[in-house]
This record gives sequence, structure tokens and C-alpha cells, in this order.
Amino acid sequence: QVQLVESGGGVVQPGRSLRLSCAASGFTFSDYGMHWVRQAPGKGLEWVAVIWYDGSHINYGDSVKGRFTISRDNSKNTLYLQMSSLRTEDTAVYYCARDRPNYNVYFDYWGLGTLVTVSS
Amino acid sequence: DIQMTQSPSSLSASVGDRVTITCRASQGFRNKDNLGWYQQKPGKAPKRLISPASSLQSGVPSRFSGSGSGTEFTLTISSLQPEDFATYYCLQHESYPWTFGQGTKVEIK
Repeated sequence: QVQLVESGGGVVQPGRSLRLSCAASGFTFSDYGMHWVRQAPGKGLEWVAVIWYDGSHINYGDSVKGRFTISRDNSKNTLYLQMSSLRTEDTAVYYCARDRPNYNVYFDYWGLGTLVTVSS
Repeated sequence: DIQMTQSPSSLSASVGDRVTITCRASQGFRNKDNLGWYQQKPGKAPKRLISPASSLQSGVPSRFSGSGSGTEFTLTISSLQPEDFATYYCLQHESYPWTFGQGTKVEIK
């Protein structure tokens, strides 16, 4: 069965860095684009970043551009999000989700999320 | 960037009611299928309902339907059931950065 498991969240001070991971199983990871989506406490969903199946294309939301870096290791079936210069407004649950546009598959599976709290 | 304006932000409805949620895009879509609808219950990850715009996810009840094109898209629940009380989001994947609507919280009247 398809599983996406995020990890790496925690409490971090403003200005510091944190790396999130998303371990994938139950499907051919290298066939799918992967995304990060976040949700601040009590707020709506915000798309964060995408990396295509082969890593050839990357795009970011405006609020994280220049501070966050998405990457993947297809040999380890793992997606990453390197977050730098963290701000209090980055506090959120971070989800990973997959897509496969050529098969009209968009966010059919999500992880359970990992909570990042940015606070002094 | 494409902005998605979702309305209403919340609604109260009774079991059996017909409910319609609308997402309006700040610019027209070249492909009407570049929109999806997601349901989220408290403390849970979102769940895909409809994506592309009118294709029901396997296992999702047929009381849910999606329609629309251009700049206006709708999610309709034909007869609201107790398990449908949740928050609903649209998502555009017409162009990067992808954007969600602000969400519609469906509450029990």
C-alpha cells in the first residue's frame, strides 16, 4: 500500500534551519512528482514546493522562495525539504503528497504530516 | 500567480441539504481539468475527492460532483450526510505556483 511518512519536524528558533524528510513506499517513487504542502495552525492549506519525478524541474511558493530547498533521492525513495532562515510564520504542519500529471494523478496520497514550530 | 477565491468561507447545513461551493480563479484555465477538490477533517490529512475537475476519486460517494470551466468551478454535495461535515478546498494546478482556495467549512445546522 502507498505510504508517505514525514519526519524531521520540531521546535526551532527563528533564523535557524531544519530539514524535513518524506519516506515513500508502496509505489515506484521515481515515477512521481513530489510536493510539500503546509498548514499553519487553524489556517488553510498552502502549497510550498514541487520537484518533478526526475528532479529536472523545481518550483516554489512565493513565501518560501529563496529560503527553502526541495530535493529528492530516488535511490532512497525519499523527499526532502531544507528550510533555512525560518520565520515564526513558517510554523505549520508540513505534508508531502505525490502527483503524476501524465496519468491525471494529483495529490491522491498524502502523508500524516510533521509539525514545525518556529519560536524563540 | 493564479489566485483562487473560494466561497462561502463557511456554511451551516442540515443532513439531506444540497450544498454548493464555488472557486473562482483570477485568470481563465486553458484546461478545465486543472482543478481538484479536497476534503479535510480536523486533525487529519486532506483527502482527494475530485481531480481532475469532474472525475470522482475511487471510493468517493456519488453525491459529490464537480463542474466548471474557465474561471468558475463548483463542488456540489447533492444530499449532505453526517460524515460530510468537514472543510473543503479547491486546488489549481493550471500553473505554478499551485494555489488552494481559502477553504469552506461545512458545519451542522
